[in-house]
Amino acid sequence: AQTVTQSQPEMSVQEAETVTLSCTYDTSESNYYLFWYKQPPSRQMILVIRQEAYKQQNATENRFSVNFQKAAKSFSLKISDSQLGDTAMYFCAFRRMDSNYQLIWGAGTKLIIKP
Amino acid sequence: GAGVSQTPSNKVTEKGKYVELRCDPISGHTALYWYRQSLGQGPEFLIYFQGTGAADDSGLPNDRFFAVRPEGSVSTLKIQRTERGDSAVYLCASSTTGQGGTYGYTFGSGTRLTVV
Repeated sequence: AQTVTQSQPEMSVQEAETVTLSCTYDTSESNYYLFWYKQPPSRQMILVIRQEAYKQQNATENRFSVNFQKAAKSFSLKISDSQLGDTAMYFCAFRRMDSNYQLIWGAGTKLIIKP
Repeated sequence: GAGVSQTPSNKVTEKGKYVELRCDPISGHTALYWYRQSLGQGPEFLIYFQGTGAADDSGLPNDRFFAVRPEGSVSTLKIQRTERGDSAVYLCASSTTGQGGTYGYTFGSGTRLTVV
């Protein structure tokens, strides 16, 4: 069975700094999807970025980028020029190719951006 | 609607009572999903609807949990004989097809259920 591990329960950085959130996963599959979701205090989950395992190029979305290391089964999220609005829970999630809706989620990292 | 709407936002109920949680997805979204998020955890899949039918209900923890989507839009999650362990945030999400797991779901803000 697949598992997703986020080893940092909480992190805090100063506004405008860069922060990296860690995620590791365990799977025997070769093709899959990985995601980072953001959950602010409003509780609504918001997709931040997604990565297809068969693509070697790391995904980027504006200030958000990932470092995908397939052999190491690592999928970290880098937030550049952090903003107060980035304060939230961040969840890493895994999806098998043959299940187009079921995600397996990590326990989350609470990120606090300090002014 | 413009987003996924869940009501109530918060619900406190006594152990043993019956509760209904409502999800109103984005208009036109055929796929609807329920997740449960316990404190300090990521979401846990409960059930997936494609149209009116439950395409996958393998995540429902036991027969006290049931969900319906009679007209292919609004869905209701029903919990009978609630237990304190049912306390969690219940999240609903929708997507245009069953591809929410690829392109991302649109989530609601959840219902926080507290069983006392």
